[in-house]
Amino acid sequence: DAGVTQSPTHLIKTRGQQVTLRCSPKSGHDTVSWYQQALGQGPQFIFQYYEEEERQRGNFPDRFSGHQFPNYSSELNVNALLLGDSALYLCASSLARGRLYYEQYFGPGTRLTVT
Amino acid sequence: KQEVTQIPAALSVPEGENLVLNCSFTDSAIYNLQWFRQDPGKGLTSLLLIQSSQREQTSGRLNASLDKSSGRSTLYIAASQPGDSATYLCAVWGTSGSRLTFGEGTQLTVNP
Repeated sequence: DAGVTQSPTHLIKTRGQQVTLRCSPKSGHDTVSWYQQALGQGPQFIFQYYEEEERQRGNFPDRFSGHQFPNYSSELNVNALLLGDSALYLCASSLARGRLYYEQYFGPGTRLTVT
Repeated sequence: KQEVTQIPAALSVPEGENLVLNCSFTDSAIYNLQWFRQDPGKGLTSLLLIQSSQREQTSGRLNASLDKSSGRSTLYIAASQPGDSATYLCAVWGTSGSRLTFGEGTQLTVNP
């Protein structure tokens, strides 16, 4: 089992550009959550996808959007990049199946640098 | 709104010392609390998960306790080693949302 995988590992973008990050969940998992971790901070919840729909969203602007595919993989899109979007983006997968809580397994992250 | 605080922000100890990391949270309505380890620039490795009905969990040299009513958890590391050097994050899963809320972490350095 490959666990949670994310691509790319590192990415450098310019202000105003758009970026897409990708996540493949652990085998058998149906839910993907995305977190943003700025340098020296704890991760902040962006949103969660279950059954191809956004189920919950944190306090992030609409520039942050996502998608979940039928194979449960997910994308995080960020439009009109700002310098403050520079961070480590973490994907976590889980097996939710309607449960109230479930353990999340984290991927290695994508380091995004906006210049 | 749930807030998680970790004290101290940074800790430097000599090898072999026993140490305690602290975590507090403002809303006691949680399903569980989880401790993670993060190496520089890397993802999160889960260390221990404590259900709200439990008081503690142990794994090897690690022991985590939970006092839900007072909103506190501690992570005890016995006989610390240089390989334990990392950032330790505490996170809670509240009953009002399907997400983890993290503290800002404690950066631990164990000196040989």
